[in-house]
Amino acid sequence: QQPVQSPQAVILREGEDAVINCSSSKALYSVHWYRQKHGEAPVFLMILLKGGEQKGHDKISASFNEKKQQSSLYLTASQLSYSGTYFCGTEWEGNKLVFGAGTILRVKS
Amino acid sequence: SQTIHQWPATLVQPVGSPLSLECTVEGTSNPNLYWYRQAAGRGLQLLFYSVGIGQISSEVPQNLSASRPQDRQFILSSKKLLLSDSGFYLCAWSRGNEQFFGPGTRLTVL
Repeated sequence: QQPVQSPQAVILREGEDAVINCSSSKALYSVHWYRQKHGEAPVFLMILLKGGEQKGHDKISASFNEKKQQSSLYLTASQLSYSGTYFCGTEWEGNKLVFGAGTILRVKS
Repeated sequence: SQTIHQWPATLVQPVGSPLSLECTVEGTSNPNLYWYRQAAGRGLQLLFYSVGIGQISSEVPQNLSASRPQDRQFILSSKKLLLSDSGFYLCAWSRGNEQFFGPGTRLTVL
């Protein structure tokens, strides 16, 4: 089943923070986060494995709550370059990902 | 380092014509390979995946097929294209947990 992402879209000003959520109805092995710019391929951001870990690099981090089957992506002090569509991909069997519908993020100056 | 190539980058084909899209990966061996389709403004739909030469799993019934004739080559084909086959076709590879996408082929069926 396709994971549910929220919100569908968000508009920020530079420097503001955002949270994107991803929920699954199935027990997950891992959650993958990607960012896609218009007309380009998705770019891998990070992967979180079951165990409730949290990861981050630069000002983008994520958490994975295995019990709730939820993951959240945190973008702090957003920059113009953060604009794009963010997808979570959930893995619950054998190296296959099921992607959410995406969250459109627009950062304005 | 690993790189993934797809060609062509764009393609315009008439309804009923055949299709062949190619994907190759460099810098790794025995990767898992995937074909996804993304309709305009939509999410990513897994079409096929392969864990080895000649091993193809189909996720969605359709008029497309995939083949893996070599370890690092993945081909997406169709004998007769439909209008609904239009979209952005992405090949991806993984070896371990992380998946990485190729640049994609934008297909328009007229």
